[in-house]
Amino acid sequence: EVQLVESGGRLVQPGGSLRLSCAASGFTFSSYEMNWVRQAPGMGLEWLSYISFSGGTIYYADSVKDRFTISRDNAKDSLYLQMNGLRAEDTAVYYCARGLNFFDSWGQGTLVTVSS
Amino acid sequence: DIQMTQSPSTLSASVGDRVTITCRASQSFSSLLAWYQQKPGKAPKLLIYEASSLQSGVPTRFSGSGSGAEYTLTISSLQPDDFATYYCQHYNSYPYTFGQGTKLEIK
Repeated sequence: EVQLVESGGRLVQPGGSLRLSCAASGFTFSSYEMNWVRQAPGMGLEWLSYISFSGGTIYYADSVKDRFTISRDNAKDSLYLQMNGLRAEDTAVYYCARGLNFFDSWGQGTLVTVSS
Repeated sequence: DIQMTQSPSTLSASVGDRVTITCRASQSFSSLLAWYQQKPGKAPKLLIYEASSLQSGVPTRFSGSGSGAEYTLTISSLQPDDFATYYCQHYNSYPYTFGQGTKLEIK
């Protein structure tokens, strides 16, 4: 069974940093492209970032470019999102999602709250 | 960036009804569209990809169609488990974007 489990979300002050992790199991992680998608409270879905299976190709949404960094460790079956310069508008549930184009498996999400 | 607009934003319907949700894109593309279902407190679930291909395990009462800049998700006979929020997503080019969602409520 495919499983994606996010962790690392917590309350952080504006301007702070946070690193989210996504642990994968039940499939060959190194063979799949991965993404981060977020959802602000009561709002819709926002795609944030993509990383190819090797990590050689990366894309970001403009809203997080230059602040967030996606990475992966295929030896550890893990995906990461380093978030710097956090703002109140970054408050959201962050999901990792598998897929190149559409997302066929999602984690349960981890909540990031940016507030003083 | 391609903007996706769903209609309606909210839809009230009864068990057994046939319902259709529409997703319009700000520019045309060739069927590179997915539909997701999300229930409160849960992650989205993929229903349809490539505009009309049913994801494995998804009931056949769900179907997708469309081309160009207009796409639809149809549920042929609503079941109690179908009351949820539905999102479309294009994957024509980065950044991928989602529609704002359609909340399907019980009438």
